[in-house]
Amino acid sequence: DTGVSQDPRHKITKRGQNVTFRCDPISEHNRLYWYRQTLGQGPEFLTYFQNEAQLEKSRLLSDRFSAERPKGSFSTLEIQRTEQGDSAMYLCASSTAGFYGYTFGSGTRLTVV
Amino acid sequence: AQSVSQHNHHVILSEAASLELGCNYSYGGTVNLFWYVQYPGQHLQLLLKYFSGDPLVKGIKGFEAEFIKSKFSFNLRKPSVQWSDTAEYFCAPESGSNYKLTFGKGTLLTVNP
Repeated sequence: DTGVSQDPRHKITKRGQNVTFRCDPISEHNRLYWYRQTLGQGPEFLTYFQNEAQLEKSRLLSDRFSAERPKGSFSTLEIQRTEQGDSAMYLCASSTAGFYGYTFGSGTRLTVV
Repeated sequence: AQSVSQHNHHVILSEAASLELGCNYSYGGTVNLFWYVQYPGQHLQLLLKYFSGDPLVKGIKGFEAEFIKSKFSFNLRKPSVQWSDTAEYFCAPESGSNYKLTFGKGTLLTVNP
């Protein structure tokens, strides 16, 4: 399967704990996006990487959130001191330099208890 | 900032009925337009896209959409739906920098056999 991979698929954590998610984009895609989706809503943009450079961050991305894409390949999204409001599906998507739309991963569902 | 309005939250149809899902966006400049679909238990998939040229675009599985610039609309249509079209549909214009998509809240389509 050469699609976008996300790990883990599900994560249950206690409030206050830190969590980290991983995204492996399609290998030739240099653009990588993180989105968050809650029940009844469409995906909301969090952040964007072009190669290893983080070029845009949403105001939704508080200082508890950090994302990296070392070497322009896989990316990680870390949430520190999780809160119940962080419970959501976290989606990763990638695209080529010649933009034709995103390819999405299956997402990581985070539940904060 | 781009905003997107999908008029219908939940649409229920019988097989063979015709479908039209409304989408309006706010950005007045050059815009690329997408519809994504999420089948139950699956990840978001690209249904169709409009970049330029013929405002009537065709996508997978018999879907089509019409771009009407004067109305800021990009409505999705299908002449005859099938039970397998049961899914959530998201309209997503792309505009501005970084090829960022802004998603609507989605329309859940239920097709009864």
